[in-house]
Formats: sequence, C-alpha cells, structure tokens
Amino acid sequence: DIQMTQSPSSVTASVGDRVTITCRASQVISSWLAWYQQKPGKAPHLLIFAASGLQSGVPSRFSGGGSGTQFTLTINSLQPEDSATYFCQQGHSFPPTFGGGTKVEI
Amino acid sequence: QVQLVQSGGGVVQPGRSLRLSCTASGFTFNDNAIHWVRQTPDKGLEWLALLSDDGFNKFYADSVQGRFTISRDSSKNTLFLQLNSPTADDTAVYYCARSKGGRGSGLYYNFDYWGQGTLVTVSS
Repeated sequence: DIQMTQSPSSVTASVGDRVTITCRASQVISSWLAWYQQKPGKAPHLLIFAASGLQSGVPSRFSGGGSGTQFTLTINSLQPEDSATYFCQQGHSFPPTFGGGTKVEI
Repeated sequence: QVQLVQSGGGVVQPGRSLRLSCTASGFTFNDNAIHWVRQTPDKGLEWLALLSDDGFNKFYADSVQGRFTISRDSSKNTLFLQLNSPTADDTAVYYCARSKGGRGSGLYYNFDYWGQGTLVTVSS
C-alpha cells in the first residue's frame, strides 16, 4: 500500500495568516491526490481533487499543488472557520490511503 | 441535493453481526460507486470497501476481506455493510462515501459526498 505522510501534525496560526501543509507519498501517484477538511464530530469534506482542482463550493483561499510524490495544501488568509483537521488521500493505486492528518488551530 | 444518510451503528458483541445502512438521495447508485471508510483515533482514516456503480464489482481492504460484506438494494437506493465476527479492532466511526469520478479515473477513489458517520463499538 502507498503510505501518505503529512507534516506538520499540527499548526497554530492567526486569522489572516497563510498556512501550508505538506503531504508526501511513498510512491509516485501522478496528480491523484485529494485534500479533505474535517471538523470535530463531522465527516470529512472534499476540498481539493487531482492535486489542484477546487471542489465546487470551496472558498478560493484553499489551493493545492504538487505532483509525483510531493504535494501541498495552502490556506491563504486563514479564517476562524478553517480551524479543523486536514487529510490528504491518494487515489492513484488500490487501496486508497490517507495521511495521518494535520490539525490547524487558530 | 445529494445526501447520504447512515443508520445501524451501535454496540455489538465480539463474534456477532451488525449491518450498517447508507441511504442515498439526489442521485442513484447506478451512477456512482460507493465506498465504506472508517476512522479511529489510533489508525486514522481507513478505506474498507467499494461497490461499483453497476453493482457487480466488490473490493475490500485486506483488514476486512472475508469478514465484511458490501451490498445494496437498488430499489431503496440503500447500501449496506455487513460486519461479521467483528473484533475490538473494528471499533470505529464508519462512513459511507460516494466516488467523485468514474471507473478508470483517479477520481474513482476520491470521495465527494459522505454520510454523517455511525459509531460501531465492539464490546462484550
């Protein structure tokens, strides 16, 4: 199985800051990388697909980048409602696998 | 409006069975594959199973192969996950989720809509 490693595991930032989360795949996954946001007690919510595609309804301050094995999720102008845990997930190879998560606190 | 509404969680004794349900609205299972994913504080998010849009292809994670069964009732637009002989390690929040893309696409394994989740506790 492809291992997904996120860093950092947690980050504390202020409203208006830019936050960048990194995800590394143990094998090349082309651009088949998704990012999810999860708030306590809720299901994950798709933010980014295919490494940089913005899911419908997601604010444009969220952006994704990268390809191969290294990927980033950037949150520009952090808002209070962005306090959550963020997960990356690869869809390149079966079985799909998730990163361990990055908790963003504001 | 696409929605996945789950039911059927709870406490189950080790070795007994439990069936989880996931009822879809706003789309039909004939158009999208549906997955089951679970989450624990220790292991994080773990993909478990997939039922293809045509209902013929079923795939499982090694951790549940032979113990869990995915199925659906198309007339009720409802997906099921049967947990047979669960152990304490199967204690988790279980989610159903819809494939964003079609078969053959990397988006097949991305999940654009999720159920609300249901807690399964395996305990005697």
